[in-house]
Amino acid sequence: DAKTTQPNSMESNEEEPVHLPCNHSTISGTDYIHWYRQLPSQGPEYVIHGLTSNVNNRMASLAIAEDRKSSTLILHRATLRDAAVYYCILRDVVANAGKSTFGDGTTLTVKP
Amino acid sequence: NAGVTQTPKFRVLKTGQSMTLLCAQDMNHEYMYWYRQDPGMGLRLIHYSVGEGTTAKGEVPDGYNVSRLKKQNFLLGLESAAPSQTSVYFCASSYWLATGYEQYFGPGTRLTVT
Repeated sequence: DAKTTQPNSMESNEEEPVHLPCNHSTISGTDYIHWYRQLPSQGPEYVIHGLTSNVNNRMASLAIAEDRKSSTLILHRATLRDAAVYYCILRDVVANAGKSTFGDGTTLTVKP
Repeated sequence: NAGVTQTPKFRVLKTGQSMTLLCAQDMNHEYMYWYRQDPGMGLRLIHYSVGEGTTAKGEVPDGYNVSRLKKQNFLLGLESAAPSQTSVYFCASSYWLATGYEQYFGPGTRLTVT
């Protein structure tokens, strides 16, 4: 299975942009890149996903490298509420739902 | 919509006892999942279901059983609890989309086995 590699932790200052990296060098052509985040004591929540092109939504932006071997989740202005564990996951839409694994993610700390 | 709900929120069991965790969703999702999350770690898939009456094993299925008798409910059973099953259990549901599947998670059940 294609796996992802993320830094264990990152820090940011409030109201500054945050770039969360993810490496996925063995990504396949049918893998979509998904991001979830988990706030303290809560279940994960969906953030954004993409295949090849950069994507934007109300929560964040996703920048995907041209070779698709890495991606970056961008929070444009971090707030204290963005402090969470961020998971980068590959979802193969050809394979079944049993390939539904979360890694250890990146713990984002936001300083006031 | 309530989304995904889990019952109970907390539970303490003695080794060897049994219990059932209930997950319910009101979004008419076909797919449902059970994960466990140990302290400081990511989520690991226990079992999942792709429709009413179907179940399949995930990454860490040993010691657990599941049932999906109704589309909106997914039950996780522990027949003989062990301390190694102390964890937070999350249920999730999703549609299956051409772009992958956006999962909706419940608030979790914190289980302690003594």
